[in-house]
Amino acid sequence: AAGVIQSPRHLIKEKRETATLKCYPIPRHDTVYWYQQGPGQDPQFLISFYEKMQSDKGSIPDRFSAQQFSDYHSELNMSSLELGDSALYFCASSSPGTGDYQETQYFGPGTRLLVL
Amino acid sequence: AQTVTQSQPEMSVQEAETVTLSCTYDTSESDYYLFWYKQPPSRQMILVIRQEAYKQQNATENRFSVNFQKAAKSFSLKISDSQLGDAAMYFCASLNTGFQKLVFGTGTRLLVSP
Repeated sequence: AAGVIQSPRHLIKEKRETATLKCYPIPRHDTVYWYQQGPGQDPQFLISFYEKMQSDKGSIPDRFSAQQFSDYHSELNMSSLELGDSALYFCASSSPGTGDYQETQYFGPGTRLLVL
Repeated sequence: AQTVTQSQPEMSVQEAETVTLSCTYDTSESDYYLFWYKQPPSRQMILVIRQEAYKQQNATENRFSVNFQKAAKSFSLKISDSQLGDAAMYFCASLNTGFQKLVFGTGTRLLVSP
């Protein structure tokens, strides 16, 4: 079965640079979520989109922005990168379906961002 | 606000044995979901099992089962016939209905010895 695709898988940036992370949800999934997981920590919610509209916002810095496009893929844009932004960034998607899959978030493999 | 608490930072089990990971949660919502995710060294987040709060029957997935105690707000994961491949960090998570965010516990690292 198709899974969530994230690119790139690894990214190394210098401080104050910008980064763009991409997420391609499972086909027919219309809701996308972004999470940040620091070393030794649990994932923290950043932002979500439903049908191309922002649906919820967590502890996302103002330096970060995101959007969902007409094909449902999403991009997380990160500017003025700081050392503390080094983390694993997950994208997850969920389906509007019913039954066992309802509201279940499936995660991509993550993008490992290292800021030097 | 939702909170999820995992009080066991690390658990150990021998192959073929059974282990139970604990999780408690708090939410003001009446309709919600609970999940266990597994994160192996590759750091992929893998869904293990899902429980709908309105269902009294405990969810099972092969060797994985949960003990859902709604009144006590407890959601433990039982792994039967443990295998070396079960070694991972296990996160308990809750989600209020309406396509909202997952709130995770701090995780329990499971060690499996031969």
